[in-house]
Amino acid sequence: GAVVSQHPSWVICKSGTSVKIECRSLDFQATTMFWYRQFPKQSLMLMATSNEGSKATYEQGVEKDKFLINHASLTLSTLTVTSAHPEDSSFYICSARETTETEAFFGQGTRLTVV
Amino acid sequence: RKEVEQDPGPFNVPEGATVAFNCTYSNSASQSFFWYRQDCRKEPKLLMSVYSSGNEDGRFTAQLNRASQYISLLIRDSKLSDSATYLCVVRTIYNFNKFYFGSGTKLNVKP
Repeated sequence: GAVVSQHPSWVICKSGTSVKIECRSLDFQATTMFWYRQFPKQSLMLMATSNEGSKATYEQGVEKDKFLINHASLTLSTLTVTSAHPEDSSFYICSARETTETEAFFGQGTRLTVV
Repeated sequence: RKEVEQDPGPFNVPEGATVAFNCTYSNSASQSFFWYRQDCRKEPKLLMSVYSSGNEDGRFTAQLNRASQYISLLIRDSKLSDSATYLCVVRTIYNFNKFYFGSGTKLNVKP
């Protein structure tokens, strides 16, 4: 089946630094990629949707200047958490799909801890 | 009110038991329905889509009740490997990009 690779799987960073998370579709061209955040015992919450070559669409309450999303190619999207704070500590998961008719596959997730 | 609500559980059942989860959704414009499985600290994986007529895949049966706005998942002959969190997911006709996830129901299958 289709594979989405997310890297890194976990990261610890200092408060105030920036962290970049990569999401790659390995065997299909992902026209749309999604970024989610999941706090313990809570639902996955969509942060933003990105289409290749265009600006990401952010969900209400998600700061676009803090969570920078780049979807420069059909196989790669990146999420950069800028000036990270402890409250940004969470599980970040991407998903990617080829078309609106195809299944969206999830990356393995990135556990971010800001100290 | 949450878009999708699930009983968090945990449901602790012995091997071989039959267990059922329900999920309710608040938006009547919800169009597509899914059950995902998420193992601890891993990504969600699609278990099955839920069709209006109900559908079955081996030991798993999914049902949709549009009038009452709920979805169910039935697992027969539970295996130890079924232990996971089961996520109910819906999508509306207004935004085909947006999936609404429930917070999940945890299942523990004991030997």
